[in-house]
Amino acid sequence: SQQGEEDPQALSIQEGENATMNCSYKTSINNLQWYRQNSGRGLVHLILIRSNEREKHSGRLRVTLDTSKKSSSLLITASRAADTASYFCATDEVDSSYKLIFGSGTRLLVRP
Amino acid sequence: DVKVTQSSRYLVKRTGEKVFLECVQDMDHENMFWYRQDPGLGLRLIYFSYDVKMKEKGDIPEGYSVSREKKERFSLILESASTNQTSMYLCASSQRPQHFGDGTRLSIL
Repeated sequence: SQQGEEDPQALSIQEGENATMNCSYKTSINNLQWYRQNSGRGLVHLILIRSNEREKHSGRLRVTLDTSKKSSSLLITASRAADTASYFCATDEVDSSYKLIFGSGTRLLVRP
Repeated sequence: DVKVTQSSRYLVKRTGEKVFLECVQDMDHENMFWYRQDPGLGLRLIYFSYDVKMKEKGDIPEGYSVSREKKERFSLILESASTNQTSMYLCASSQRPQHFGDGTRLSIL
């Protein structure tokens, strides 16, 4: 079953602008991860945030997690054309340690 | 760097054929996963394996089986391919984070 739902489904911005993507989920989690997928390729892990963390940074990426609202956001600052890709959140549920539940993704287009 | 290799990037098969998709990882990971990805549906877990010869059904196992005879190799088998199995298939290993192969785009005609 799909747990993570991303919003928006698609986002188009100008190079240099910031991009914000949101993810909502339904059950208790151990952690939440964000992945990136270039067209026709596999997924690449970007960042993991644990359930007891509220914010995490990695380069131009900033992830927040609000477990009370069961939501997360991914912010990409100073976007580049090379950031054009689909972005997925994935949750690691408390009761199912082997499985990740992926959202349906946000397609980001960064215009040069 | 972890490398997960899927045997084919593109594959075209006919309905009723038995189809094998192969995946190899080079990092001695215990956990391996097979997903399919369809537009608007995200990634859906077909099967996963947590050790050699161990497997567990995911969310959509119908029409599929898997084989894990060696730790590094995890095979997905379509017993009798049907057109509704046309999809992108992604293999992954480990868990936190998962490392993905480049995918196999499978078309069933």
